[in-house]
Amino acid sequence: DVKVTQSSRYLVKRTGEKVFLECVQDMDHENMFWYRQDPGLGLRLIYFSYDVKMKEKGDIPEGYSVSREKKERFSLILESASTNQTSMYLCASSFRRIKRSEQYFGPGTRLTVT
Amino acid sequence: EDQVTQSPEALRLQEGESSSLNCSYTVSGLRGLFWYRQDPGKGPEFLFTLYSAGEEKEKERLKATLTKKESFLHITAPKPEDSATYLCAVQPPGNTGKLIFGQGTTLQVKP
Repeated sequence: DVKVTQSSRYLVKRTGEKVFLECVQDMDHENMFWYRQDPGLGLRLIYFSYDVKMKEKGDIPEGYSVSREKKERFSLILESASTNQTSMYLCASSFRRIKRSEQYFGPGTRLTVT
Repeated sequence: EDQVTQSPEALRLQEGESSSLNCSYTVSGLRGLFWYRQDPGKGPEFLFTLYSAGEEKEKERLKATLTKKESFLHITAPKPEDSATYLCAVQPPGNTGKLIFGQGTTLQVKP
């Protein structure tokens, strides 16, 4: 079974703090993705990576950065957390070498910024 | 612009009352269409992949079908445990692996 794990299920941080969200997958997937999900807005892509040290901006990259030093691990960084970054954060991974490849999601991290 | 639209936004059914969820898309050269189930507070769980018009996939009470412009998720004799949000996503042409997600249909099945 594909397994995608995220470092925390719930996280509470203060405005201005630097926040790290980590994601690990065990399926040797090339692609990894970070989304945020908010009521009424659906899933929005923040960043994705198709290889180690490679990254591309998604639809809403502002205020976020990412790091992929190892194939199995993809980190999302909030340099200076703000209240409008309170959200559910979802990590996903998929094969790149396969033409059609479903994404597998982690359990999510509910981040609250106060 | 590539778009995915799901309808209805919300659906309430009585246990045993069959129905269908719709996912329409405007993507040309579709590589794949995916259905997910999401329970409150959890990540989406992969259900099905459909590749070409006419294809069907089944899993327990769920059956997904695909035409050139839309997909249906049929739920036969649903049970309360089928209550969840169902997401549809399409993979457009290109090699990024990015998916375009619909807004989802929230299904509530009452006993």
